[in-house]
Amino acid sequence: TQLLEQSPQFLSIQEGENLTVYCNSSSVFSSLQWYRQEPGEGPVLLVTVVTGGEVKKLKRLTFQFGDARKDSSLHITAAQPGDTGLYLCAARSLGTGANSKLTFGKGITLSVRP
Amino acid sequence: DVKVTQSSRYLVKRTGEKVFLECVQDMDHENMFWYRQDPGLGLRLIYFSYDVKMKEKGDIPEGYSVSREKKERFSLILESASTNQTSMYLCASKPGLAGGYNEQFFGPGTRLTVL
Repeated sequence: TQLLEQSPQFLSIQEGENLTVYCNSSSVFSSLQWYRQEPGEGPVLLVTVVTGGEVKKLKRLTFQFGDARKDSSLHITAAQPGDTGLYLCAARSLGTGANSKLTFGKGITLSVRP
Repeated sequence: DVKVTQSSRYLVKRTGEKVFLECVQDMDHENMFWYRQDPGLGLRLIYFSYDVKMKEKGDIPEGYSVSREKKERFSLILESASTNQTSMYLCASKPGLAGGYNEQFFGPGTRLTVL
């Protein structure tokens, strides 16, 4: 089973600050997804990246898939308290069949203070 | 909107009891999944199903079984609950091929405590 390492594990910042968090592995992926989970709820998909080097933007969130498709970053500009939550990356390996599984990282707990 | 519902938000059971966790999705998705989520361990896949009556083991199937008799319903069964099965259990569903890029839609979770 491939391992997805997310860093940092915990992050507490002031409203208005910028931040970047990471999802890394030694394995190559066919696709990678970022989810956000709020307390008491299930994770909700933010983005799916498929192509090496791909950059996707979702309002103040910018997602990048590494050129080698082994890693990804999430950058948040001018963080707001509503960004508070657990950020999970999840990836699917190359060459797996129709029934392949999604592997999740352990998550990054982000707290944005007003 | 896709909706995935789980039968209970909170559940307390005793060691040795048989426990049923139910999950229902209303969007005719082919694939359904059961995960458990523990602090410091993230989401780990227990079982998944890509069709009615079909099931595949995930990464941690020991101590669990599943049932999918109808497309919209996926049940997780703890045959004899143990304290190390205390956890948050998340159900998810997904359209298309199980190995495709489509989004997984999660339920709100069931927090199970085994005493």
